[in-house]
Amino acid sequence: AQSVTQPDIHITVSEGASLELRCNYSYGATPYLFWYVQSPGQGLQLLLKYFSGDTLVQGIKGFEAEFKRSQSSFNLRKPSVHWSDAAEYFCAFPARDSGYALNFGKGTSLLVTP
Amino acid sequence: NAGVTQTPKFQVLKTGQSMTLQCAQDMNHEYMSWYRQDPGMGLRLIHYSVGAGITDQGEVPNGYNVSRSTTEDFPLRLLSAAPSQTSVYFCASSMDSLEAFFGQGTRLTVV
Repeated sequence: AQSVTQPDIHITVSEGASLELRCNYSYGATPYLFWYVQSPGQGLQLLLKYFSGDTLVQGIKGFEAEFKRSQSSFNLRKPSVHWSDAAEYFCAFPARDSGYALNFGKGTSLLVTP
Repeated sequence: NAGVTQTPKFQVLKTGQSMTLQCAQDMNHEYMSWYRQDPGMGLRLIHYSVGAGITDQGEVPNGYNVSRSTTEDFPLRLLSAAPSQTSVYFCASSMDSLEAFFGQGTRLTVV
């Protein structure tokens, strides 16, 4: 079955520290992959996306993600976290059999401490 | 640029009441979808549409109806609201698999 797993429900990092959020996928082929961010009480904003080609993709707000086919992973990284990065992060891919509707992971909640 | 517009933003219903959550997009996208977001569950697909007149069920369709009479609009109907339908609802549209655009959400409380 097609699915996305985000193993970490909550992550706490200190401001200025590096960040890595994990995402693993189960899919019959190489999927398109997305990371979305949701600030408290807000909608979803696309951070970055991977379709093909270069496995390291750059996104907005200083985020990047690396696609690793051998590990079925698409982890999100940021070298130095800012307090404004505190939010919920979702990994997702469009499902072939659902009109490109997104199949989401359960999300990782990021807390940034001073 | 309006993008995807959802109305209302907030709604409180009594158990058994009906209501329609509106979703409209002005990007001429063929694909539209409804999700609900619950704590710890991520976003789960309720219904989706691949074009006017064509809809199908997602992961959690029970208690919800949809229709797609025009490309622009994709309303979600709750026929008899239940407390289990308390959630935040998001509508999205896309032209293809390359990017989905989301509305700002509707926070629904059923008491």
